[in-house]
Amino acid sequence: QVQLQESGPGLVKPSETLSLTCTVSGGSISGYYWSWIRQPPGKGLAWIGDIYHGGSTNYNPSLRSRVSISLDTSKKHFSLKLTAVTAADTAVYFCVRVQNGGWFDPWGQGSLVTVSS
Amino acid sequence: QAVLTQPPSVSEAPGQRVTISCTGSSSNIGAGYDVNWYQQLPGTAPKVLIYGNNNRPSGVPDRFSGSKSGTSASLAITGLQAEDEADYYCQSYDSRLSGYVFGTGTKVTVL
Repeated sequence: QVQLQESGPGLVKPSETLSLTCTVSGGSISGYYWSWIRQPPGKGLAWIGDIYHGGSTNYNPSLRSRVSISLDTSKKHFSLKLTAVTAADTAVYFCVRVQNGGWFDPWGQGSLVTVSS
Repeated sequence: QAVLTQPPSVSEAPGQRVTISCTGSSSNIGAGYDVNWYQQLPGTAPKVLIYGNNNRPSGVPDRFSGSKSGTSASLAITGLQAEDEADYYCQSYDSRLSGYVFGTGTKVTVL
């Protein structure tokens, strides 16, 4: 079955760019939307955005000016970039596949990113 | 920013029934978008429990059920077990935000 794995730096300095990659294994990247979701420590889930295998993207309006999601079909991974980070961007970042019908499954295990100098 | 409202916590004794409400608005649940439910055990990624309002993925016990009416949805857990202690989130789509939205989350405690 499809498995997702996030990777990237666990510590980012304020004002810099957060970059994460999600590697997809056990299935095709085609035909689905792929999404990023984050969860600040002790808080709830928030959708960041998604990308279709054809390249079209959708972003949470609250993050649209700072976020970009890209997809590398040949490498079977998709990536998140979040610019000008602050402490409020400290969170566990999950990559997920969006099922037809708009539900999320499977989920990666999550990657904690801390914004601190 | 959570758009769907859930009670912060619910608790009940083993074997009993709990329900978790998820209240939205005319731009999400009330607009006809499906509601999905996730269970998050401590320190782990969320797992889908219910999709499309009332469908259970294979492997999810039939003790879990979902329903939807108007601008709200509910998750019911019957025969509560200690292993059900977790955080639960509802999720839908919002046409005003043009994106997916989550509930505020509910912590279930088994007394």
